[in-house]
Amino acid sequence: NAGVTQTPKFQVLKTGQSMTLQCAQDMNHEYMSWYRQDPGMGLRLIHYSVGAGITDQGEVPNGYNVSRSTTEDFPLRLLSAAPSQTSVYFCASSQLAGIRKTQYFGPGTRLLVL
Amino acid sequence: DQQVKQNSPSLSVQEGRISILNCDYTNSMFDYFLWYKKYPAEGPTFLISISSIKDKNEDGRFTVFLNKSAKHLSLHIVPSQPGDSAVYFCAASGTYKYIFGTGTRLKVLA
Repeated sequence: NAGVTQTPKFQVLKTGQSMTLQCAQDMNHEYMSWYRQDPGMGLRLIHYSVGAGITDQGEVPNGYNVSRSTTEDFPLRLLSAAPSQTSVYFCASSQLAGIRKTQYFGPGTRLLVL
Repeated sequence: DQQVKQNSPSLSVQEGRISILNCDYTNSMFDYFLWYKKYPAEGPTFLISISSIKDKNEDGRFTVFLNKSAKHLSLHIVPSQPGDSAVYFCAASGTYKYIFGTGTRLKVLA
C-alpha cells in the first residue's frame, strides 16, 4: 500500500495562475481532507469530503475548490493563486465508521506564490 | 477563535525524563482527541488518541490524559528519547471536522 500520496512535492506559481494539487489514497477511506500549515498557525482545515460526490468547507475554504469524483482521489484547486496561499498543503484520509477515527497524512506539497 | 490551543510553542527535556505536552479546547461537542507527531518535511503521523468516554489511554511510552471538565488533555512521554524530538499537534474531532492546535516543538536533550 502506498497510503496517501501527493503531487507535486514543490511548486512555484505566479500570482493569478491556477493549479491543482493532487491527492490519492489506496486504503478505501471514505473521509478525505485538505489542510494548510503555516508558521504559528498549526494545521488548518480547508475542505473535506465524506465520500464520492460529497464535499464541505473547513476553517479556511476561500480561494480553494475541491471535488470528489472517486473514493481514491481528492484534488485541491487554486483558481487564481495569491501570495497568501504560500503554504505547505497536506492531504489526509481516514475511515468514517468506528471509534478509531485516525487520519493518515500525505507527505505534503510546498507551494510558493510569487 | 481558536478552538484547540497549545499554549507552549516549545519544550526542552532531558533524555530519560518525562515530557508533558498540554492542549486545551473550547468546544464541548468534541468527542475524540488525537496526538500527532511531525518531523520536518514530512506529513504528521498518528501517535495516540482518546475518546471522550475515557480519561486515560496508554500505548507504550505514550499516555494521553483527558479532563473533560477542564477541557484539557495532555500527552505524557516516559522516558523521553532523542528520537522523540519533533513537533507535536493535538487535534479534536466532533462530527467530520478535525481541528488542530498550533503545535509544540519538543526537543529531547541527550
